[in-house]
Parts: sequence; structure tokens; C-alpha cells
Amino acid sequence: NAGVMQNPRHLVRRRGQEARLRCSPMKGHSHVYWYRQLPEEGLKFMVYLQKENIIDESGMPKERFSAEFPKEGPSILRIQQVVRGDSAAYFCATSGGDSYEQYFGPGTRLTVT
Amino acid sequence: QKEVEQDPGPLSVPEGAIVSLNCTYSNSAFQYFMWYRQYSRKGPELLMYTYSSGNKEDGRFTAQVDKSSKYISLFIRDSQPSDSATYLCAMTLATNYDKVIFGPGTSLSVIP
Repeated sequence: NAGVMQNPRHLVRRRGQEARLRCSPMKGHSHVYWYRQLPEEGLKFMVYLQKENIIDESGMPKERFSAEFPKEGPSILRIQQVVRGDSAAYFCATSGGDSYEQYFGPGTRLTVT
Repeated sequence: QKEVEQDPGPLSVPEGAIVSLNCTYSNSAFQYFMWYRQYSRKGPELLMYTYSSGNKEDGRFTAQVDKSSKYISLFIRDSQPSDSATYLCAMTLATNYDKVIFGPGTSLSVIP
């Protein structure tokens, strides 16, 4: 596997439930970026992480959203007590840290019912 | 004013046409400019990138940057139905290239 992996690809949650989105970086990449994409809108930066560190979370909503990138395992974007407005496609991208080139995963499409 | 603006389209052209996609931006400090292609329900993929001003050609694709006008373009020659996708421009600072700012994207359809 050479690419960025995200799972699940589709996630349906009822209002008030928690959503957990996972991102496994491309081999050799240690920088992870999460983006949200709404219909007719571009990619909106949410958070940038390196292993065990949040580097920039300026795009994250102040409440209900959190992200981590542990020493072992994938990066996780967690949304607590989801609301309908959280329905969107969430993409992660990874890079090697020495370049602006970010490689995107296939995305997780979250639907809140 | 948004940092990066892009005509959302949709843009529909016949096969073989030359396509011109454009973005304008407000921050004169942007130095790296990229174009991503996103097929429906897929993640964006990097198509081309340029540093500062000038042109760059790769096959049927040419990227152009005019920093004085804060304007970038992507030209597609001999367009193919497989080029039908949304094209996102993106840019970043030279000092903080981890934070990439994306345009909203232009939807392109190439009709056989």
C-alpha cells in the first residue's frame, strides 16, 4: 500500500453520537492534515499534526472536535455529539514535512441523520 | 474578501478544446502555487505546482503565475472527457508551506 488510507469511507451517525475518522499516512510521511469539504465549497483546513503533537489547530471548531496522531497507529479526528451541520466529506492529507506537496486520502463522507 | 477566489463554473467544453482555469488571490506573500484535480467522490490529487512567477508545462497542462496581478491559471490543451473533474487551485507561503489555502474549485465537463 503506497497511498493515504482513510476509514471508514462512509459513516452515518445520529445526532448526538460520536464520529471517529481515521487516517493512515503514506509510508514515510509523518505530517497529517485534516480538511473538511462541503458541497460547493473548497477544502477548509482544520488541523495539522505531527506524531504526538498538534502543530496548528486554527481551523478546528472550538467545541466537540478533537484530533490526535499517536506514536503508534493512525491519526484520528473525533467529533463528539454530532449535529446535522457536521455532515461533510473529511479528507486527510499527509506529507514528508520537507515539501509543500500534500497527498490526499479518499475521504470519509459523514452523514448525520 | 476571500484569500483565494475561483469561478465555480460549471464549465462545459467540447472534446479537443483548450480550457483555461483561473484563480485570484489577495495575499502577496504566497510563493508556491498548485493545481489539484478532484474526481467526483475522490480525494484531490496534485497536478502541477510552480514556485513564484512564470510558466510550467507538463504534457497537455500549463500552469501560469502572474504575481504582479495575483492571478494564476491552468491551461489544458486538447481536452479529453477524462479531464472532467473539479480543479482546485492552492497556494502557500514560502515560510510556512504546511498551511495550504485552497480555492473553492471549478467544475469542468468535457463533452465527447
